[in-house]
Amino acid sequence: AQSVTQLDSHVSVSEGTPVLLRCNYSSSYSPSLFWYVQHPNKGLQLLLKYTSAATLVKGINGFEAEFKKSETSFHLTKPSAHMSDAAEYFCVVSDLYALNFGKGTSLLVTP
Amino acid sequence: GAGVSQTPSNKVTEKGKYVELRCDPISGHTALYWYRQSLGQGPEFLIYFQGTGAADDSGLPNDRFFAVRPEGSVSTLKIQRTERGDSAVYLCASSSGQAVAHEQYFGPGTRLTVT
Repeated sequence: AQSVTQLDSHVSVSEGTPVLLRCNYSSSYSPSLFWYVQHPNKGLQLLLKYTSAATLVKGINGFEAEFKKSETSFHLTKPSAHMSDAAEYFCVVSDLYALNFGKGTSLLVTP
Repeated sequence: GAGVSQTPSNKVTEKGKYVELRCDPISGHTALYWYRQSLGQGPEFLIYFQGTGAADDSGLPNDRFFAVRPEGSVSTLKIQRTERGDSAVYLCASSSGQAVAHEQYFGPGTRLTVT
């Protein structure tokens, strides 16, 4: 079975500083990996996805993630945090069609 | 265009009662998924429909849970003899095809509270 582990349940950054949300995956074959964001009282939104093409994946709102097979990691980064980035972020691995979500990382952005 | 919609947005019911949760997918989307998100957790897969048939219901926790999609569009998740542990946000998603090439679009969810 494929699974992901999000290494931090909460991350706090100051506005304008870099964001790093960490995710490790477990998969018996080449995985398809995603990052989703969930703003309060809003639906889940896809930020980006990796499906065995380029290892550096660019997503919406300035986010990107790098697939590192040797480290079984898929960390999410952004060079400069904005107040509107405050939300819950989920690392996800796909099992053919079903999405397997991590427990989430809550990102707090302070002024 | 319209996204995935779910009704009701909130449902409060008493332990032992029966509830139905509705999902209207994006028009034309053949694949439909139900997930359950408990407090402080990520969503967990419940069931996947391709057209009218349930292609995979392995995530349904027990036989009190059942879902249908009779015409290949709207889906209803049915929970019998509700228990307090069923309290969660139930999410529906749809996609234009199977597998990871097709993005799953999520609805806002139905928050179920069993008292």
